[in-house]
Amino acid sequence: SQQGEEDPQALSIQEGENATMNCSYKTSINNLQWYRQNSGRGLVHLILIRSNEREKHSGRLRVTLDTSKKSSSLLITASRAADTASYFCATVNTGANSKLTFGKGITLSVRP
Amino acid sequence: DAGVIQSPRHEVTEMGQEVTLRCKPISGHDYLFWYRQTMMRGLELLIYFNNNVPIDDSGMPEDRFSAKMPNASFSTLKIQPSEPRDSAVYFCASTRTASTDTQYFGPGTRLTVL
Repeated sequence: SQQGEEDPQALSIQEGENATMNCSYKTSINNLQWYRQNSGRGLVHLILIRSNEREKHSGRLRVTLDTSKKSSSLLITASRAADTASYFCATVNTGANSKLTFGKGITLSVRP
Repeated sequence: DAGVIQSPRHEVTEMGQEVTLRCKPISGHDYLFWYRQTMMRGLELLIYFNNNVPIDDSGMPEDRFSAKMPNASFSTLKIQPSEPRDSAVYFCASTRTASTDTQYFGPGTRLTVL
């Protein structure tokens, strides 16, 4: 069953702009992860945030986690055409032992 | 490291035929996951193994699907008999420890059942 629900489902921006993607989930989690999938490829891990963390950075990526609202956001700053991909949030629910539950994904298009 | 290896990358078969998908996880990883991705249903976890033992197969759609992991470096997902609705991309992923480690995905096998 789906745990993460991403929002929006699709996002189109101009190169150089920031992209913000949101994810909501339903149950208690150990951590939340964001993955990227380029067309025709497997998923690639971007960033992981633990349930006791509120914000994390990695290069041009910034992820926040609000456990009281059961939501997370992924911000990509200064977007590039190469960021065009689908982005998925996934949660490891409490007691789930590495089992990831994925949302349906957000399609990001970055126009050159 | 070569990453997670899956074969074949593409498979086209006819309804009723047996299909076997193969996966080699990253060396040293003790969890292995099989996923199916379709436009309609998104990414679904089918089954996962820990130390070669199946832990949760609740996502396996029906008895036509079976998965094995005879050793730490090899797993198979078998569909017998295959049906057109099994057409999807099947991913294998592995990870090293429980709860905190990220999963590393293979390139996937695109299965088309005619």
